[in-house]
Parts: sequence; C-alpha cells; structure tokens
Amino acid sequence: GENVEQHPSTLSVQEGDSAVIKCTYSDSASNYFPWYKQELGKRPQLIIDIRSNVGEKKDQRIAVTLNKTAKHFSLHITETQPEDSAVYFCAANEGSQGNLIFGKGTKLSVKP
Amino acid sequence: GAVVSQHPSWVICKSGTSVKIECRSLDFQATTMFWYRQFPKQSLMLMATSNEGSKATYEQGVEKDKFLINHASLTLSTLTVTSAHPEDSSFYICSASGAYTALDEQYFGPGTRLTVT
Repeated sequence: GENVEQHPSTLSVQEGDSAVIKCTYSDSASNYFPWYKQELGKRPQLIIDIRSNVGEKKDQRIAVTLNKTAKHFSLHITETQPEDSAVYFCAANEGSQGNLIFGKGTKLSVKP
Repeated sequence: GAVVSQHPSWVICKSGTSVKIECRSLDFQATTMFWYRQFPKQSLMLMATSNEGSKATYEQGVEKDKFLINHASLTLSTLTVTSAHPEDSSFYICSASGAYTALDEQYFGPGTRLTVT
C-alpha cells in the first residue's frame, strides 16, 4: 500500500520568511496530493492540492510542486504570518475509493 | 458548499459502554465516507471506508466488531465504538466525498473527542 513520509516534523520560522515542507510517496499509481492545515482541536482544512497532470500550482502565498519521477511533492509558504502557525499534513490517494494516506505532519511555528 | 457535520463534538463515557458518533453531509450526497482516528500530536489514521448501502472496508489492525460502521443513506454514516476502553480515547474525524464533488477530494467533519473513563 501507499506510504507517505513527511519532513520536517517541526519547523520554526520568522514572520516574513518562507517555509517549505516536503513529502515523498511510494505508490506510483497515486495521482492526487492534497495539503491540509489543522489547528489544535479543529478539523483539517484543505489549503491546496495538486494532481499528477501538473508540476506546480500556486494560490497566493501558497504553492505546491510535484515531481512524479522522484515521487515527491512540496508545500511552499511565502511571507509567513503568525496565523500560518498550525500542523500541516500532506496526503496521497490510494486505491479506487480515493482513500487518503497522510504524512505524520509538520508543526509550523511562525514567530512574530 | 460541501459541508460535513459530526455529532457529538465531544463525549465522555464509562469503560464498557458503547458510543455512537454521527457524520452527516449537509449539502451534498456522500457516496463514500471515511472514518479516521487521531491521537494527540499524531497524524490521521484511516480506520475504514464506507460506501452507501455497502459494508465498510476496514484498514488492517482495526477491529470491525469493535468499531461498527453504518452508511445507510447518502447523507449519514455512523461509527459505534462498542465496549469502549480508555485506550479508545481519541479524536474521531469523518470525511466524505460525493459523485459530484471534485475527484478524490474529501470534506472533513469537525471531529468528535471521545474520552473513556
């Protein structure tokens, strides 16, 4: 089955700096890669996703890149703000029912 | 659009009792619903996948007789934790996807925090 590895587990940046979180996956059949932001005690919120037919997608300060050959994808947050502080999860789909396999998460802290 | 609710948001129960958690899609028909468990400071672990009108598919290591899942309609799935024990205390989150939502995109409920005493 699919296995998703996520690094780093914690990331601390200064406000205004960029943050990058990286994930690798094992199943070459995966073709959907969402990123979720989860605040303490809340539901995961989809912030951006990418499908295997594109290599990069951007939405304001957030971008995701995908390298299918190397089986890795990354989340880039520019001009970070304190409200970006949260746990971020990457995921990859698996199987015909669209199961998502999640990475272990990255706790991002943005210091003002 | 694509709103998912869960009830209750938190529950405390005694060891040995059963607890039912409801997951509803409010504005779309959820052909598939997913149940996750999340322990503190850990990731979301998929427990089972259910399609409306079918038996749920459980992930390896998840006891289907302990975690009963019913997906009787296109807007409602329930998870019943039977004979709960303290180690079942966790944050349970459902998600849903539908025939007319974006392919593979899942919409998450707000979660249910279960504490077993």
